[in-house]
Amino acid sequence: TAGITQAPTSQILAAGRSMTLRCTQDMRHNAMYWYRQDLGLGLRLIHYSNTAGTTGKGEVPDGYSVSRANTDDFPLTLASAVPSQTSVYFCASSERDNQPQHFGDGTRLSIL
Amino acid sequence: AQSVSQHNHHVILSEAASLELGCNYSYGGTVNLFWYVQYPGQHLQLLLKYFSGDPLVKGIKGFEAEFIKSKFSFNLRKPSVQWSDTAEYFCAGDTGRRALTFGSGTRLQVQP
Repeated sequence: TAGITQAPTSQILAAGRSMTLRCTQDMRHNAMYWYRQDLGLGLRLIHYSNTAGTTGKGEVPDGYSVSRANTDDFPLTLASAVPSQTSVYFCASSERDNQPQHFGDGTRLSIL
Repeated sequence: AQSVSQHNHHVILSEAASLELGCNYSYGGTVNLFWYVQYPGQHLQLLLKYFSGDPLVKGIKGFEAEFIKSKFSFNLRKPSVQWSDTAEYFCAGDTGRRALTFGSGTRLQVQP
């Protein structure tokens, strides 16, 4: 089934460790996004990419980095995790940057 | 900066009651508007979208939303809710310049 695959589904991580959340889509969408979902705050954009080879900062980019080496993959890296990064992370994609987005199942990340 | 506000944080209804969830956006130019639903333990799914044209938009599962430009609103409605509509609902807006801006979400609980 076409869609977005995120891995891992959940992870517990010690503070100070690094972690890469994986996101792969097979719809050949140009645009991809990373959001974090926190209670009472909705979804907040971390980073986005309108096309392969380009990335941009969202609303809450600090502590996170992304890369977009190809159309399908958009990994999110936490270089040195902190407890405030405990959240549910959703990857999304859309054909272009103003089209409806398709979401992955999310990664639940706990930083201890 | 664009923002999206959802003022109802938690709504409890009985089955067959009518639903209206408020959404206001703060952008004066052309804006694309969306409603997403997140069922418990699942990822976000698109309910409906407004890009232009008829301001009354019909989506899946009997939901509709009305774009009222003069009020900067895009409220979600359903004439008769079901227990299966229990979920969190997110309004989102997109000015076409970058990714979606989400509201903080409204948790809907439908009691049988």
